[in-house]
Amino acid sequence: DTGVSQDPRHKITKRGQNVTFRCDPISEHNRLYWYRQTLGQGPEFLTYFQNEAQLEKSRLLSDRFSAERPKGSFSTLEIQRTEQGDSAMYLCASSRRGLAGGEQFFGPGTRLTVL
Amino acid sequence: EDQVTQSPEALRLQEGESSSLNCSYTVSGLRGLFWYRQDPGKGPEFLFTLYSAGEEKEKERLKATLTKKESFLHITAPKPEDSATYLCAVQDTANAGKSTFGDGTTLTVKP
Repeated sequence: DTGVSQDPRHKITKRGQNVTFRCDPISEHNRLYWYRQTLGQGPEFLTYFQNEAQLEKSRLLSDRFSAERPKGSFSTLEIQRTEQGDSAMYLCASSRRGLAGGEQFFGPGTRLTVL
Repeated sequence: EDQVTQSPEALRLQEGESSSLNCSYTVSGLRGLFWYRQDPGKGPEFLFTLYSAGEEKEKERLKATLTKKESFLHITAPKPEDSATYLCAVQDTANAGKSTFGDGTTLTVKP
């Protein structure tokens, strides 16, 4: 299966620590998205890339969050100085750019717990 | 700003009891409306894309329809394995990169 993969699946950290998550999209997809989801809520958009270019970043995203996609393939999401409010599921998705479609295929997510 | 509202928040059905889930949306221009299924602890799984009012898509016991203001996900004769959270999302023509999601409807089908 060549779906979207994320690593790690679970991360427990202490407040103030930095964490980094990785996402490997479907190989032929050139768009990659990051979302955050808390219990009982729908996914909330964080940022997205087309190839290696970061095209949009949510205004809700603080400066402690940064994402990269250096070679247009995998992406990393880093959270610096984590806070308890950062505890959530972080979802990665990918899609193929085009006039039709636009459907996004999601990975299994990384569940972050900040103690 | 794009908005998506789903109702009801939760729905409990007996096996075989058909029903519908609602997704109301507000966008400046609709590029696409998407339905996903999400099982606990997993990422959303793509189901359907709808592009214009009047369009319908079907897959097994599910049928999605679209009007200019809302979409419905009809579930015919559901089975326990249809139990999941169903998410609706929209993409705006002004901002095709991101999807705006509703908070979902959690469906439970009892045998």
